[in-house]
Amino acid sequence: GESVGLHLPTLSVQEGDNSIINCAYSNSASDYFIWYKQESGKGPQFIIDIRSNMDKRQGQRVTVLLNKTVKHLSLQIAATQPGDSAVYFCAETSAAGNKLTFGGGTRVLVKP
Amino acid sequence: EPEVTQTPSHQVTQMGQEVILRCVPISNHLYFYWYRQILGQKVEFLVSFYNNEISEKSEIFDDQFSVERPDGSNFTLKIRSTKLEDSAMYFCASRQGLGGYTFGSGTRLTVV
Repeated sequence: GESVGLHLPTLSVQEGDNSIINCAYSNSASDYFIWYKQESGKGPQFIIDIRSNMDKRQGQRVTVLLNKTVKHLSLQIAATQPGDSAVYFCAETSAAGNKLTFGGGTRVLVKP
Repeated sequence: EPEVTQTPSHQVTQMGQEVILRCVPISNHLYFYWYRQILGQKVEFLVSFYNNEISEKSEIFDDQFSVERPDGSNFTLKIRSTKLEDSAMYFCASRQGLGGYTFGSGTRLTVV
């Protein structure tokens, strides 16, 4: 079936370094992608999104890259901080669709 | 910033009992969702609701589940006869139109 998946379940990064979280998706009909951050005991928190007519979008300290050719999505966090420690999920949907399909999540651990 | 509010934050119930999880979506949003997350797993879609009716539901959302928007502000998820495997975090989400999904902080349901 169609799915969204992550390559790395846990990413350990030194404070101040950059983090890169990857996600593969298989539904070629998906045209809208979102990265969420989830801290322990909380709901998914929107970080950044991107539509399929773009290949890069930047926010504050975060950048999302979309490669439609290989169906790959990544989230880059610049100058990772302790507060960035969380589980990060990618999610996909389509303009014609309705629901979000989430990937399995990557845990980011920031070492001081 | 507008929030999706969920109550209670934690619900403990005995197997076979009915539970109602409550959500107050963002006031000008039109689309409403329930998702669940079993501990340590990814977020799974349950149901979407638009224009006072279910627009899509997953295999998980069987006849033990129901949703209702009883007034202009609340959106509820009812589980008629809870099972041990219903133990999970349940997240409500809403959005206005394309994109912009906002999640609540969740209700932790524990079935004993």
